[in-house]
Amino acid sequence: EPEVTQTPSHQVTQMGQEVILRCVPISNHLYFYWYRQILGQKVEFLVSFYNNEISEKSEIFDDQFSVERPDGSNFTLKIRSTKLEDSAMYFCASKGDTQTYEQYFGPGTRLTVT
Amino acid sequence: DQQVKQNSPSLSVQEGRISILNCDYTNSMFDYFLWYKKYPAEGPTFLISISSIKDKNEDGRFTVFLNKSAKHLSLHIVPSQPGDSAVYFCAASASRYSGGGADGLTFGKGTHLIIQP
Repeated sequence: EPEVTQTPSHQVTQMGQEVILRCVPISNHLYFYWYRQILGQKVEFLVSFYNNEISEKSEIFDDQFSVERPDGSNFTLKIRSTKLEDSAMYFCASKGDTQTYEQYFGPGTRLTVT
Repeated sequence: DQQVKQNSPSLSVQEGRISILNCDYTNSMFDYFLWYKKYPAEGPTFLISISSIKDKNEDGRFTVFLNKSAKHLSLHIVPSQPGDSAVYFCAASASRYSGGGADGLTFGKGTHLIIQP
């Protein structure tokens, strides 16, 4: 069964450093998403991506964040200058097309900012 | 601003009995609702969904009920099995209003379901 994969599973970085989280969505899916879950809190939407551009973003997704689909298979989330409060689980998700609503999630990357 | 609320942080049910997980929402623009199951150290796994034009959707042991007038939905699991022990998230989408269906899901805080033998 096709699945969303994410690397790395755990990333530790120092405050102020740049990090890139990587995702490989399900191959025939057209919509891609990033979510985060701070420990003990709910899963929060960050950004959606379709047709090589951002479709929607939340208030959390400020200028420190960017997304890219560099090669037609990977979907990346970059945090330019990490802050302590960026520590969270980051989930990538993908969805097939406009006729479907179910998003399929990857296993997540745990980001720890020290 | 909790647009999707799951008011029970945890629920304990005996194996074989019915588990009922509840979810309330406040945003009238939500038109599609989903339930996800999550084990520790894993991503949310899609379970079942329902469109706002329906009031019930069933898939095996899982049934979701939607009461639009009350802005309430529930997930029923019958019979409950030990493997059902997990955190269950209710999520909502307002995709009809987002021009293309690319909108993000709004999640509740989750309910930790514990199935006791």
